[in-house]
Amino acid sequence: SQTIHQWPATLVQPVGSPLSLECTVEGTSNPNLYWYRQAAGRGLQLLFYSVGIGQISSEVPQNLSASRPQDRQFILSSKKLLLSDSGFYLCALQGVGNTEAFFGQGTRLTVV
Amino acid sequence: DAKTTQPPSMDCAEGRAANLPCNHSTISGNEYVYWYRQIHSQGPQYIIHGLKNNETNEMASLIITEDRKSSTLILPHATLRDTAVYYCITDDDYKLSFGAGTTVTVRA
Repeated sequence: SQTIHQWPATLVQPVGSPLSLECTVEGTSNPNLYWYRQAAGRGLQLLFYSVGIGQISSEVPQNLSASRPQDRQFILSSKKLLLSDSGFYLCALQGVGNTEAFFGQGTRLTVV
Repeated sequence: DAKTTQPPSMDCAEGRAANLPCNHSTISGNEYVYWYRQIHSQGPQYIIHGLKNNETNEMASLIITEDRKSSTLILPHATLRDTAVYYCITDDDYKLSFGAGTTVTVRA
């Protein structure tokens, strides 16, 4: 079965510090991978999605970047965090074909 | 931007059916309709999806209109644990964009 690992669960980082969130998946090959952010009380905002290694589509211009160095690894990064980067970050995968998406447990990031 | 519109909120009595509408008037012929729900502080959970035929699983039923411009998610017997935000989305070339969803509150 498909599983998705996302860590850490919570993270507190100072303004201006770098960020690296990693997401790894199991049980599938060549999945579509997604990064979402959810601000408190708001909906899910699609940040990046990837349909293959090295292929990244950015949805919202911002202080973040994403990379997919391996088929089952998706990384969200920032060189310098802003207060506005605080939120709940979710990684998701969608397998080949019209299948459902699976979401990780999320990382709650607080920039202070 | 999300290609679907949903009412922002709705209440439902426990044990009754909950009917959640969704408009997707610009859907293309090969786009599926997906429904997810999100319980507070968790990642979204898949419920059901369909292309043009009605679908049913152990969680819910999905009714898609013949012109495919709208759909309805039916929770047959709502329980308190069904209180969540429900999202209706379409897959636009692999881009899964979520709108604001419908906040469903099931009341005893």
